[in-house]
Amino acid sequence: QQQVKQSPQSLIVQKGGISIINCAYENTAFDYFPWYQQFPGKGPALLIAIRPDVSEKKEGRFTISFNKSAKQFSLHIMDSQPGDSATYFCAASKAGTASKLTFGTGTRLQVTL
Amino acid sequence: DTGVSQNPRHKITKRGQNVTFRCDPISEHNRLYWYRQTLGQGPEFLTYFQNEAQLEKSRLLSDRFSAERPKGSFSTLEIQRTEQGDSAMYLCASSLNADTQYFGPGTRLTVL
Repeated sequence: QQQVKQSPQSLIVQKGGISIINCAYENTAFDYFPWYQQFPGKGPALLIAIRPDVSEKKEGRFTISFNKSAKQFSLHIMDSQPGDSATYFCAASKAGTASKLTFGTGTRLQVTL
Repeated sequence: DTGVSQNPRHKITKRGQNVTFRCDPISEHNRLYWYRQTLGQGPEFLTYFQNEAQLEKSRLLSDRFSAERPKGSFSTLEIQRTEQGDSAMYLCASSLNADTQYFGPGTRLTVL
C-alpha cells in the first residue's frame, strides 16, 4: 500500500524555469510533510517542510503548496539551476509515530542549460 | 555539529555472510532511525530508537536483522546470513524530539 504517491517520475526543466513536483497522500492522520533532496551517493537532505495548518511555505527559491482537502502537496522550485539537478522525495509522518517518515518514490530532476 | 556519520560507506559481501553497519548520530540527538533505500525508490522505515530503547520495528525487518543502540549514542545494524535481496543503501537519521530528521550518507551494501 503506497501511502504517498509522487509524480512525475522524472522532469527536465530549462535553466531559469519552474520545476513542479506533486505528491498525494491517503492517510489523513499525516501532519508533517517534508521534502528531501538527494544527490547520487548521498543521503537525503531536508529542503523544506510544512504542516497542514498553512497552505503555503516559502524558503528562498523553494515553495511548498498544501491542499488539505485534496490531500495533495507540491514543491515548486523557482529559477531552477543546474545545481538543482537531483532526486527529490516528498514524505509524510503522523503524530504519535515517533515521526517515522513515509516517502514517495522520488522525482529525478534535470535542469538543462 | 558534524552531522550524522555512517560506516562503512560501501560493503561488498558474499551471500550467507554477516555484516554490521555503524551510525553515529548528531550529538545529543535522542532519536535514531534506520531506513533502507533500493534503487529508484524512496527510503523505507526499518526501525527507531529513543535513546537506547528500540521502540518500533517495521515488518521489513526480518529476524535476520538486528539493531542496537547501547548507551543511547551510536547504533549498529547487523544483517545475518545476507541474501541478494538485502542489497540496498542503508540510511541512518537522527533527530532531537522533533519531526526534522537529518540523514547520514548511507552504507551501500552489495551482496554477491
